[in-house]
Amino acid sequence: QVQLQESGPGLLKPSVTLSLTCTVSGASIRSYYWSWIRQPPGKGLEWIGYINYSGSTNYNPSLKSRVTMSIDTSNNQFSLRLNSVTAADTAVYYCARERSTIDPFEYWGQGTLVTVSS
Amino acid sequence: SYELTQSLSVSVALGQTARITCGGNNIENKNVHWYQQKPGQAPMLVIYGDSNRPSGIPERFSGSNSGNTATLTISRAQAGDEADYYCQVWDSSSYVFGTGTKVTVL
Repeated sequence: QVQLQESGPGLLKPSVTLSLTCTVSGASIRSYYWSWIRQPPGKGLEWIGYINYSGSTNYNPSLKSRVTMSIDTSNNQFSLRLNSVTAADTAVYYCARERSTIDPFEYWGQGTLVTVSS
Repeated sequence: SYELTQSLSVSVALGQTARITCGGNNIENKNVHWYQQKPGQAPMLVIYGDSNRPSGIPERFSGSNSGNTATLTISRAQAGDEADYYCQVWDSSSYVFGTGTKVTVL
């Protein structure tokens, strides 16, 4: 059974860097594509970016200047860093897995709420 | 950038059929996936590749894709189908989600 679990701070002040980690169990992170997706309260889903097993990344153009993703194969984890956060970055952040870019997001984490507030 | 447009809301009587549409330019040339999201939960895949059901998804859920519109159909709607539904495609090196449709079962 593939499981994904997000972890990281739930409250941030404006201008700092958001850092989240997704821990994968039941599957090797050395395969597939691994994405971050977010959902502001009461709004729709927004894809942030993916990293694949070889460390190649692809980011949403609207967030590209502020996003960095990394992968830790020894701990079966991947991570998200989002710089210079504002209140507009307040959202539930999900990690998810897809087999390839044309395939769906088969597995999702439960999501973690990140609030940006002074 | 590519845009996917969905109706804000759809209401369906218990036991009847709900149709949720996802509009996009020549969407028929893309693989469309559909997700169901209930309050406080992560999205769950209900249809992939236009019309395929993952294991465990009831046959009441079906999908089609033609022209500029993809459609998710829920037959014999149940109270448990009440949720938000999102379509999703891959386009020009980005994943794109639809705006989401809230389905209410009356």
